[in-house]
Amino acid sequence: DAGVIQSPRHEVTEMGQEVTLRCKPISGHNSLFWYRQTMMRGLELLIYFNNNVPIDDSGMPEDRFSAKMPNASFSTLKIQPSEPRDSAVYFCASSRGTGFGSPLHFGNGTRLTVT
Amino acid sequence: AQSVTQLDSQVPVFEEAPVELRCNYSSSVSVYLFWYVQYPNQGLQLLLKYLSGSTLVKGINGFEAEFNKSQTSFHLRKPSVHISDTAEYFCAVTHSSNTGKLIFGQGTTLQVKP
Repeated sequence: DAGVIQSPRHEVTEMGQEVTLRCKPISGHNSLFWYRQTMMRGLELLIYFNNNVPIDDSGMPEDRFSAKMPNASFSTLKIQPSEPRDSAVYFCASSRGTGFGSPLHFGNGTRLTVT
Repeated sequence: AQSVTQLDSQVPVFEEAPVELRCNYSSSVSVYLFWYVQYPNQGLQLLLKYLSGSTLVKGINGFEAEFNKSQTSFHLRKPSVHISDTAEYFCAVTHSSNTGKLIFGQGTTLQVKP
């Protein structure tokens, strides 16, 4: 079990550029979550998928953010165009089953810096 | 709406001393409660969870937590901490209709001093 794999670990980009964060969930897990962590706002749920279908995207800050899950083993979070206030650590997590009793398994995160 | 409040942003404690990290939640329905730990530059790991049954829940690394419905609390405790317990600890809540959507508290940094 390799755990949840996120790439890249660090991303530095200039304002206005497109950023794509990637996540490979644990095999057999059918729920996937994207969280953002900042000092000011803590951990915020951006979006989550169940069986590759987006269930709740109410946490996505604005239209500049989009997420996809084309298959059970891959998800992306895209920011276009990026802004300095998007700087944060973005975590992907997965869980087995429908979720509420199943623990989340987190990746090590992508630290995004937008200058 | 659900919310989680972790009452202390930082808790300094000496090695081998006991510690309690406080968590209060608000919800109009039955809840499920979790504690996660985050070590530097890593993702969160599950420490323990309360779904139902006994209100005293034991987790990994010697931690335990007690669910108190009347006080809407789920405080985390350890009788004797180690330097390696230095980390950030998050309390989280969900309920069945959320299908796994966890709401996290702001986190408590536990600083264990030698």
